[in-house]
Amino acid sequence: GQQLNQSPQSMFIQEGEDVSMNCTSSSIFNTWLWYKQDPGEGPVLLIALYKAGELTSNGRLTAQFGITRKDSFLNISASIPSDVGIYFCAGTHRGSNYKLTFGKGTLLTVNP
Amino acid sequence: DAGVTQSPTHLIKTRGQQVTLRCSPKSGHDTVSWYQQALGQGPQFIFQYYEEEERQRGNFPDRFSGHQFPNYSSELNVNALLLGDSALYLCASSLVQQVSGNTIYFGEGSWLTVV
Repeated sequence: GQQLNQSPQSMFIQEGEDVSMNCTSSSIFNTWLWYKQDPGEGPVLLIALYKAGELTSNGRLTAQFGITRKDSFLNISASIPSDVGIYFCAGTHRGSNYKLTFGKGTLLTVNP
Repeated sequence: DAGVTQSPTHLIKTRGQQVTLRCSPKSGHDTVSWYQQALGQGPQFIFQYYEEEERQRGNFPDRFSGHQFPNYSSELNVNALLLGDSALYLCASSLVQQVSGNTIYFGEGSWLTVV
């Protein structure tokens, strides 16, 4: 099935560093969402974006909905060890608000 | 306020067998979707149920079927299991009247291993 192009595939950083990851698609998305998944658990929603150009923050997390509606990025500032996990981007097309298309994920490792 | 609950959490089946996974949506939600997440991949949409009917379906064979009950809970059935069906199966619930993405909640999933 279709998946979004998410990069990087993995990141290994030092505690306190900033992190950036992004997703691109060949098709337009109506909504962009960013999830975090810890081992053995389901995805937990971090940020939801609904309008092209929208920039939204949630604590140390900031995400933007690309102007072309074909891309989005997620930034994490001043990383801490509990940021470790897999981050997924997901999108919905117009008329399919319950069908999420996911990226393959970015594995983030934070070295204390 | 209970979140999305799924059962069982883990199970092992043999090729050719059938499996049933269960999901109770978050309190107040009326729509349930099922996703398959293979190891190292993002979740893939299987189908969505609302008002006890399948409303949308992803690219999965007919071996994958589901049901939604009057209390909004749902079952995912997979027949004639293949080794490739081994995955984490996620249930997500939402409220149809709220069509924005921030109302989609996931359960912790059911790990299925086919041997």
